[in-house]
Amino acid sequence: DTGVSQNPRHKITKRGQNVTFRCDPISEHNRLYWYRQTLGQGPEFLTYFQNEAQLEKSRLLSDRFSAERPKGSFSTLEIQRTEQGDSAMYLCASSLELGGHYGYTFGSGTRLTVV
Amino acid sequence: DQQVKQNSPSLSVQEGRISILNCDYTNSMFDYFLWYKKYPAEGPTFLISISSIKDKNEDGRFTVFLNKSAKHLSLHIVPSQPGDSAVYFCAASRGSARQLTFGSGTQLTVLP
Repeated sequence: DTGVSQNPRHKITKRGQNVTFRCDPISEHNRLYWYRQTLGQGPEFLTYFQNEAQLEKSRLLSDRFSAERPKGSFSTLEIQRTEQGDSAMYLCASSLELGGHYGYTFGSGTRLTVV
Repeated sequence: DQQVKQNSPSLSVQEGRISILNCDYTNSMFDYFLWYKKYPAEGPTFLISISSIKDKNEDGRFTVFLNKSAKHLSLHIVPSQPGDSAVYFCAASRGSARQLTFGSGTQLTVLP
């Protein structure tokens, strides 16, 4: 178990380009979350999956954002037509939902810079 | 509307002394509260949590206190160590979705 893995660690893109990030959760975890963090703020919830089903999306997740988790394993977050305001750290986390409440395990994040 | 607030952006304490980090929330529907620690270039790491049915939870040097009437929680670290220097985030959740609402964080510096 190597924890939650996110790739790439850094991404610089030009405004208007599309970007895709990947998250590999801890293998036995059935829940996967995406958060976004900007400088000086705490992480903000974007969306989460239970297995392959996307169960909730934040209003922060505009139509330019799409997330998938095929087969309930890894997940991808795509941002289309990037804008400078999309520059942030994108964090993925996973957890094992057992009816109790456990802290997530976060990945190290993908830092996106839109120039 | 910031539902979870950490009003102190930074805190410095001497090694061996107590660190007290504070957090306030406004949403009375929150039923679970967590603290995360974050080092630079790493994701947040879960530290300790507390259910709304309790008022205290302890794990080694870390204790979280919850005052529901005041909508306030605090994290006590005793004794503080230089390795505790990090940004600490308070977070809250409600219901089974487990999505977390985070505060803006407090940078703790433990001076040797």
